[in-house]
Parts: sequence; C-alpha cells; structure tokens
Amino acid sequence: EADIYQTPRYLVIGTGKKITLECSQTMGHDKMYWYQQDPGMELHLIHYSYGVNSTEKGDLSSESTVSRIRTEHFPLTLESARPSHTSQYLCASSLGVSETQYFGPGTRLLVL
Amino acid sequence: AQTVTQSQPEMSVQEAETVTLSCTYDTSESDYYLFWYKQPPSRQMILVIRQEAYKQQNATENRFSVNFQKAAKSFSLKISDSQLGDAAMYFCAYRSAGAGNMLTFGGGTRLMVKP
Repeated sequence: EADIYQTPRYLVIGTGKKITLECSQTMGHDKMYWYQQDPGMELHLIHYSYGVNSTEKGDLSSESTVSRIRTEHFPLTLESARPSHTSQYLCASSLGVSETQYFGPGTRLLVL
Repeated sequence: AQTVTQSQPEMSVQEAETVTLSCTYDTSESDYYLFWYKQPPSRQMILVIRQEAYKQQNATENRFSVNFQKAAKSFSLKISDSQLGDAAMYFCAYRSAGAGNMLTFGGGTRLMVKP
C-alpha cells in the first residue's frame, strides 16, 4: 500500500474563504499530481510537478495553485473558494517517468 | 490527443462468477502503458493491474486479468470468482511512454456484486 496522505479528508467551507489541501508522500517520489473528480465521473489532471520548484498546469483549467518546495509535499490552494469548486481532489505520486501513479485517499470539498 | 472509452456505465455480477469490463482507447503512439484502477466507496484509487504495450503477454494479478488487443486498441479487465469487496468504480487509464507520465482516464464502470 502506498504511503501518500491527504488532509483534510472532508471540508465544508463558505464562499470566499481561502483553503489549502495538503498532500504528502513518504516514498521519495519525484513526481506528484493533483486530479479533480466530480461524483461518478472520470478524473481530470489539474496540476503536476516533476520535482522541487517545478509545477505545471494539467489538462483541466483550474483556479487553484500549487507549490512544491519540498519533495514530499505538494499542497493545493484556492484563494477564494466558490460553489463551483465543490468536488473531490485526489493527489498522486510516482517515481520516474515509467512508474505507476499511486493515489492518496482524496479530499472531498463542499463550498456553500 | 489520446482518449479512453468505457462503454459500460454499470455492470453487475453474481458473487463467485466472472465479469469482464470493457475499455477501448485511441492513440497514434506505439509505446504506452494501460492501467485499471479500482475506486471503492472510500474514494481512494487503487491500482488493480498494469500492462505495457510492448508486452504481448496479458497481465495477471490473482483473480484479475486483462485481454490486451493492441491492434484493436482494446484493454478489457476480467474479474474471476467475484467477491463482494470487488464492488467499486473501475477506471481504465492510458499513459504515454514518453516524457510526461500523464494519465488519461476513461469515464468509469460501476461494478455491483450480488450475493
């Protein structure tokens, strides 16, 4: 089982609040990813990182931002949450280009 | 751009029986990887099985096996001796072997297991 953690698991917050979703992995993986998934739907990549100080936007446009200051940590921030941000956010990591991605348990976000 | 299609939104199987989930993909590349992930109600994505496109032999993991047809761009998942714990959403995913390591997911198939 992969050692990748996400906090909080569930978050209910009001419109306009700033939030940060945490993702950490203890496997020494260099690559990390954030996916957004609406209920019963496929996952869409919103951000990824190939290593420290490297961040890129994914296929799905997102108002969120990410940072990668440490290898093991890849937080996602929403400066001003809106109801349209309500979704599940899944973090993943992998080692190298050819390796499998392992997923965290996800954060379910509800913005009122 | 690659696309992944899962044509069965829902499937059901009797406990101990066998079920096959379909997946097709579209790509112009010759070297790539294919995956099946399972997402139970807990919502965590769990890797079930992985197939390298350059390998002709179908991957197998215990009760899970795939039927990889490269020419037809088909990658189905067979679950044998289905168990109640197999009930989940199953996602097929594609990844190019080139730089990037980006996963493209299908829309998912919800598998129900009847006791």
